[in-house]
Amino acid sequence: DIHLTQSPSTLSASVGDRVTITCRASQTINGWLAWYQQIPGKAPKLLIYQTSIVESGVPPRFSGSGSGTDFTLTISSLRPNDVAVYYCQQYNSYSLLSFGGGTKVEIK
Amino acid sequence: QLQLQESGPGLVEPSETLSLTCTVSGGSVSSKSYYWGWIRQSPGKGLEWIGTMCYGETNYYNPSLKTRVTIFADTSKNQFSLKMTSVTAADTATYYCARADSGDSGGFFNYWGQGTLVTVS
Repeated sequence: DIHLTQSPSTLSASVGDRVTITCRASQTINGWLAWYQQIPGKAPKLLIYQTSIVESGVPPRFSGSGSGTDFTLTISSLRPNDVAVYYCQQYNSYSLLSFGGGTKVEIK
Repeated sequence: QLQLQESGPGLVEPSETLSLTCTVSGGSVSSKSYYWGWIRQSPGKGLEWIGTMCYGETNYYNPSLKTRVTIFADTSKNQFSLKMTSVTAADTATYYCARADSGDSGGFFNYWGQGTLVTVS
């Protein structure tokens, strides 16, 4: 199994701050990593796939990077409606998908 | 535009079988271009992949749930379903159906249903 560890588990930042969330895989996943945003009470929404490709319609302040086992999601300038839980997901193999534990983003 | 809608009982008794259906509109469950999956989220917890299917291909299941889970399609109704046997309180969760692209670069879920809460009690 490929285990994904996200950090921090909770993040508090001010509007306009640059925010970075980390996702570390237990083994290399060849860049097959996606990020989702889940607003409370809603279904997850795809933000980024294949490490750094931004899904259509997602604001450009969201970006992804990384390689090997270490990946990051960056929000360049935090907005109030970015308050959510963010999850990473690896899809290195269709037979064994997995999600990270989530990072809760709050406004300070 | 693709839409997914989960349906099924909101309450299941312990040791019974949980059955949920995802109705697909705007796309076909028999398409080999997509994987159709189930993901769940226990109250206040993170996302857990349950399994995925691609019509006519091998199904894949989370090893921790594999002995209790089956995912299958009903192409006449353009639906796919989840059956989970011998449920316990630990299976209480919001269950989401979702679609992923198949192929070499697929595996992420770009369409999701709204989710349905199933309580085991």
